[in-house]
Amino acid sequence: EAGVAQSPRYKIIEKRQSVAFWCNPISGHATLYWYQQILGQGPKLLIQFQNNGVVDDSQLPKDRFSAERLKGVDSTLKIQPAKLEDSAVYLCASSLAGNNSPLHFGNGTRLTVT
Amino acid sequence: AQSVAQPEDQVNVAEGNPLTVKCTYSVSGNPYLFWYVQYPNRGLQFLLKYITGDNLVKGSYGFEAEFNKSQTSFHLKKPSALVSDSALYFCAVRVDDKIIFGKGTRLHILP
Repeated sequence: EAGVAQSPRYKIIEKRQSVAFWCNPISGHATLYWYQQILGQGPKLLIQFQNNGVVDDSQLPKDRFSAERLKGVDSTLKIQPAKLEDSAVYLCASSLAGNNSPLHFGNGTRLTVT
Repeated sequence: AQSVAQPEDQVNVAEGNPLTVKCTYSVSGNPYLFWYVQYPNRGLQFLLKYITGDNLVKGSYGFEAEFNKSQTSFHLKKPSALVSDSALYFCAVRVDDKIIFGKGTRLHILP
């Protein structure tokens, strides 16, 4: 099966600019996640979708981050305006519903804010 | 509060020796436990999971993990390490459809 697709792989922007990341999950996976991984740390959940509804966005900095999953398939994560501390790898993952289902991750987008 | 702890930032093992990467957890209810591996510039890759049943679960690339309910641990093991096992390893617990990751342990296999 095709894996989770993410683009772009790398992005360099200046602070205060905006940026968007795209994710296409594995076909049939109802649950989609966006994680932020800062160098040397574990992934931190930003937002979790079940189909096109938000399940958990408690750690999403809503003043600058937004995400949508129209039609319950692809998803876009946006940062506007970016700050230096947003430099990280942004990982998208998808899974079937249920606690026994593992997450399948894309290769991530490495964002550098200068 | 739900939590996952990986007490070692880094583990060094000589090639051919057995390896253990430690994980302990604190959750309410029955835990669903996972191990993931991350190679440089890649996303996390699923290795194995414990749901119920046998305490020793086997996964990809010869890895296995032992679930210990009394010690609330889920240590990752491999009988004979390979240089190619060098990577970052994450333990995770899933409860109420929420996933919590440990901070990761970097495994170095020395030739």
